[in-house]
Amino acid sequence: KQEVTQIPAALSVPEGENLVLNCSFTDSAIYNLQWFRQDPGKGLTSLLLIQSSQREQTSGRLNASLDKSSGRSTLYIAASQPGDSATYLCAVEARSQGNLIFGKGTKLSVKP
Amino acid sequence: DAGVTQSPTHLIKTRGQHVTLRCSPISGHKSVSWYQQVLGQGPQFIFQYYEKEERGRGNFPDRFSARQFPNYSSELNVNALLLGDSALYLCASTWDIDGNYGYTFGSGTRLTVV
Repeated sequence: KQEVTQIPAALSVPEGENLVLNCSFTDSAIYNLQWFRQDPGKGLTSLLLIQSSQREQTSGRLNASLDKSSGRSTLYIAASQPGDSATYLCAVEARSQGNLIFGKGTKLSVKP
Repeated sequence: DAGVTQSPTHLIKTRGQHVTLRCSPISGHKSVSWYQQVLGQGPQFIFQYYEKEERGRGNFPDRFSARQFPNYSSELNVNALLLGDSALYLCASTWDIDGNYGYTFGSGTRLTVV
C-alpha cells in the first residue's frame, strides 16, 4: 500500500531564505507526483506536476525533483516571501491504485 | 475557462441528516474525483468517476455515494451524517494530454456536522 510522508510538518523561515520541502513515498510504481499549495480553509492549487518519466519541473521560484528509485521528491523554493506562507502538499498517483495519495503536508511560515 | 466549481461553499448539517455536494469539472474533462480532508490531514480519496462509470472507491462506508451525469458534473451524497463527517470535501477533474495527465481541484465544500 502506497504511503506518502512529508518532512518537516512545519517550517518557519525569515523572508529571502531558500528552502527545501521533502516528500517520500513507499512504492516507486507511480504515474506522476504533484505538489499543491493550500491556503487556510481553501482548496488545492497545483504548483508542479512531474510525470514518472521526468526528473524535475520548474515554475518561477519553484523547482521540484523526482527520484523514483529512492522514493523521494523535493520542492525547492528560492528567495521565499511572506506570500509563500501556506501548507504544501505532495501527492502521488500510484499505478496500483489509480488515485492520488497525499502526505499530511508541510506548513510553511515565512516571516517578514 | 472556468475551473472546477463546487457548491455550496459552506454547509452546516445536523447529525443524522443527509447532504448532497455538487461539482462541475473543467469543460471537456470527463473524469471527476472526490476527496475528504479533515483538519490537519491530507485529502483522502472517496470516489472516482469516468464517463458516468465508477472507476474507484476509497475506504469509506456505504453512507457515502456518488454519481456522474451525462454532462460530467457529479454529486456526492452522504447519508446519516456523523460528527466525524465534518471536513472539507474536494472535487477534482482530470486532464489528459498526450498520455500525460494530472488533477485540478475545486475550492471545496466545507461541511460542518453539529
